[in-house]
Amino acid sequence: DARVTQTPRHKVTEMGQEVTMRCQPILGHNTVFWYRQTMMQGLELLAYFRNRAPLDDSGMPKDRFSAEMPDATLATLKIQPSEPRDSAVYFCASYSPTYEQYFGPGTRLTVT
Amino acid sequence: QKEVEQDPGPLSVPEGAIVSLNCTYSNSAFQYFMWYRQYSRKGPELLMYTYSSGNKEDGRFTAQVDKSSKYISLFIRDSQPSDSATYLCAISTQGGSEKLVFGKGTKLTVNP
Repeated sequence: DARVTQTPRHKVTEMGQEVTMRCQPILGHNTVFWYRQTMMQGLELLAYFRNRAPLDDSGMPKDRFSAEMPDATLATLKIQPSEPRDSAVYFCASYSPTYEQYFGPGTRLTVT
Repeated sequence: QKEVEQDPGPLSVPEGAIVSLNCTYSNSAFQYFMWYRQYSRKGPELLMYTYSSGNKEDGRFTAQVDKSSKYISLFIRDSQPSDSATYLCAISTQGGSEKLVFGKGTKLTVNP
């Protein structure tokens, strides 16, 4: 049963600390998305990659967020330094040739 | 005006009721319309997908698109407690479901 995996599932950190979230897309899916979900804003696209190349990161605060795909099996999202307003659930999704985005279980981030 | 507007609810109905969930959108370039279902503390999963005006039926679920009014709906017949979830509309200008714009989601509770 192929699925997107994300680690960690939960993260509590103090303001100013670096946070790294990891995603393993479904094997064979060449497009990967990072989203952030909050009650106020809903689900927002932060960035996405195709064949490991960044296509669009316009939704991401550039001064503190960075997204990379070091290889086809790993996507990372880093926040440095983290702030309380970054508290949210971060989802990774991979895109299948059948036009469906498959979402991971999310990383619930709390910044105190 | 946001690109996609969705009433967040919450919506509470008795088991067996017909449920109507709706979104409006502003960009006439949107051509692909999806509904995602998100259970509590899980990632969204695709429920239905359509790219034309009219109705599409899948079991107890019917997706309806009216491009002239920029209005999409999801109907659930004979609603069940297992349908309790947040339903998000998602719209794309591009082929398939790449680069989606999501509504904020409507939280539905079906009471037994």
